[in-house]
Amino acid sequence: DGGITQSPKYLFRKEGQNVTLSCEQNLNHDAMYWYRQDPGQGLRLIYYSQIVNDFQKGDIAEGYSVSREKKESFPLTVTSAQKNPTAFYLCASSLSGIGSEQYFGPGTRLTVT
Amino acid sequence: GENVEQHPSTLSVQEGDSAVIKCTYSDSASNYFPWYKQELGKRPQLIIDIRSNVGEKKDQRIAVTLNKTAKHFSLHITETQPEDSAVYFCAARGGSYIPTFGRGTSLIVHP
Repeated sequence: DGGITQSPKYLFRKEGQNVTLSCEQNLNHDAMYWYRQDPGQGLRLIYYSQIVNDFQKGDIAEGYSVSREKKESFPLTVTSAQKNPTAFYLCASSLSGIGSEQYFGPGTRLTVT
Repeated sequence: GENVEQHPSTLSVQEGDSAVIKCTYSDSASNYFPWYKQELGKRPQLIIDIRSNVGEKKDQRIAVTLNKTAKHFSLHITETQPEDSAVYFCAARGGSYIPTFGRGTSLIVHP
């Protein structure tokens, strides 16, 4: 089902705790992305990475951090500095060429109380 | 940067009717326009895309049109079925290769 996985599907955390969301792909894609989805807001870009050991901030990077130590993996950490962390988080990957299709993971629904 | 506007936010049709979703973009350098369908609680999946060198593309009941001069593109679904009910997202991608998404259209097809 696309070769890109996210875990866990549901995640619950207490306010003030950092939490890391996993994203793995076996599509040999160079580029990986993290999006946040809120009702009526579409898909908003948090971070993206074009190659290993390099990543760039997206439109809403504040309160988030990422790493890209391996081509297959792009974990996202939601820190306690993120004011409204409760959301549906989607990871995606693509070949790095312009016009390359993005493949999305199944998403992680994070709830912070 | 790119700005993508998508309308309507909600679209309700009867089974068998046609549905049209419209998007406009701001960056004239954008050259790739994908459309994604997202069922409730699921991942977005590409249903059709168009590149700037063509004006229309069809795939069975789905078609996309592009007007580069006016900077707008549209998704057309004919003979709608209840299983077409979902949220549809348009996107535009240009030189940065990072796509910008519209806010989505919730399509409801009534049996």
